[in-house]
Amino acid sequence: QQQVKQSPQSLIVQKGGISIINCAYENTAFDYFPWYQQFPGKGPALLIAIRPDVSEKKEGRFTISFNKSAKQFSLHIMDSQPGDSATYFCAASRDTGRRALTFGSGTRLQVQP
Amino acid sequence: NAGVTQTPKFQVLKTGQSMTLQCAQDMNHNSMYWYRQDPGMGLRLIYYSASEGTTDKGEVPNGYNVSRLNKREFSLRLESAAPSQTSVYFCASSLTGAGYGYTFGSGTRLTVV
Repeated sequence: QQQVKQSPQSLIVQKGGISIINCAYENTAFDYFPWYQQFPGKGPALLIAIRPDVSEKKEGRFTISFNKSAKQFSLHIMDSQPGDSATYFCAASRDTGRRALTFGSGTRLQVQP
Repeated sequence: NAGVTQTPKFQVLKTGQSMTLQCAQDMNHNSMYWYRQDPGMGLRLIYYSASEGTTDKGEVPNGYNVSRLNKREFSLRLESAAPSQTSVYFCASSLTGAGYGYTFGSGTRLTVV
């Protein structure tokens, strides 16, 4: 049972464009939604995270939009740069009880110069 | 400032052989995790340890065992390796639970032939 569904699987964007990656979750008990960025040969690194008490969180060029009623959240990368080329994972967890992240399947982003 | 250290980085095993993947963190984190990463499937939780002295099964525990040796170290053992266990294995740690963000190691690429 895939509790966090991520799309698209891959994405090509021109430099300066907007990259959008979407995730949907099933478990309404989830209350923590992070995004991780992974470069080839490296472990994932936390990029930005949101909790369901807000609908949007922005950090620099990265924004999470959260829709609790639809059980969806998305990552927007503004002014995408070639250095943003990486694999992005959404994830979700409950902050209490079982405290382990459930990850989406990942999106490989390529930003063309 | 090592963070999370995994050894070995690469390993080739024959079917039926056993091995232990080592993980150590120097951030005084309470929680530690083992994930496997396979193409198109994201990161799937194998086992986790919410605190020293406790371990719990994740999504894909079959064929694996773990030991939380002390607060710093969390090892993953394959008793009888199978080709289906060919994967990249990541260890991660967090202060307490998922809500504080994970720090990942750089991974172990395991091939079972």
